[in-house]
Amino acid sequence: RKEVEQDPGPFNVPEGATVAFNCTYSNSASQSFFWYRQDCRKEPKLLMSVYSSGNEDGRFTAQLNRASQYISLLIRDSKLSDSATYLCVVILYGNKLVFGAGTILRVKS
Amino acid sequence: NAGVTQTPKFQVLKTGQSMTLQCAQDMNHNSMYWYRQDPGMGLRLIYYSASEGTTDKGEVPNGYNVSRLNKREFSLRLESAAPSQTSVYFCASSGAANEKLFFGSGTQLSVL
Repeated sequence: RKEVEQDPGPFNVPEGATVAFNCTYSNSASQSFFWYRQDCRKEPKLLMSVYSSGNEDGRFTAQLNRASQYISLLIRDSKLSDSATYLCVVILYGNKLVFGAGTILRVKS
Repeated sequence: NAGVTQTPKFQVLKTGQSMTLQCAQDMNHNSMYWYRQDPGMGLRLIYYSASEGTTDKGEVPNGYNVSRLNKREFSLRLESAAPSQTSVYFCASSGAANEKLFFGSGTQLSVL
């Protein structure tokens, strides 16, 4: 089993839709969690950290479910500019940082 | 503020050739990393340097060497390139091991 798994998608949604992706992790001792965004042929950039109590940044909401070992990203009112690949990142024991393979989101008008 | 600068952006090599990818950061970060990204796979860590003067193997170190020249610079060397090393390479840095990563713009490497 991979340490971090994501549905590769693509998720094709219309503008204005709400979309959510999950990311599962295998190690219950995982310490920190992040969502990165990667545009085509560009470098990944941090979208948001994921806190235990859940956190929101504008249209984006991140949540952590430790019991089921997954994190989620919810995007409300999708924009064309949200089209990208979303990477989840999990920091395991010993500060080992593992990337998921990414979920592709395509927002269409 | 340049952030993380990575060169070259593109490179084509023949099997057996050698090359060095350069990376420099101007954020006074302690930790630096080299990743490769292949289709359908997450970024995989090749080598990292937690601080100046130290380097450690990551998940896929075979065929690569690194040098942490000083706090700013962390280079990746392919001594004898193989087609399996065709990939996109990213350099990254962070203030500490579990902090936000800042990435360079990537190097598209093709080995023929």
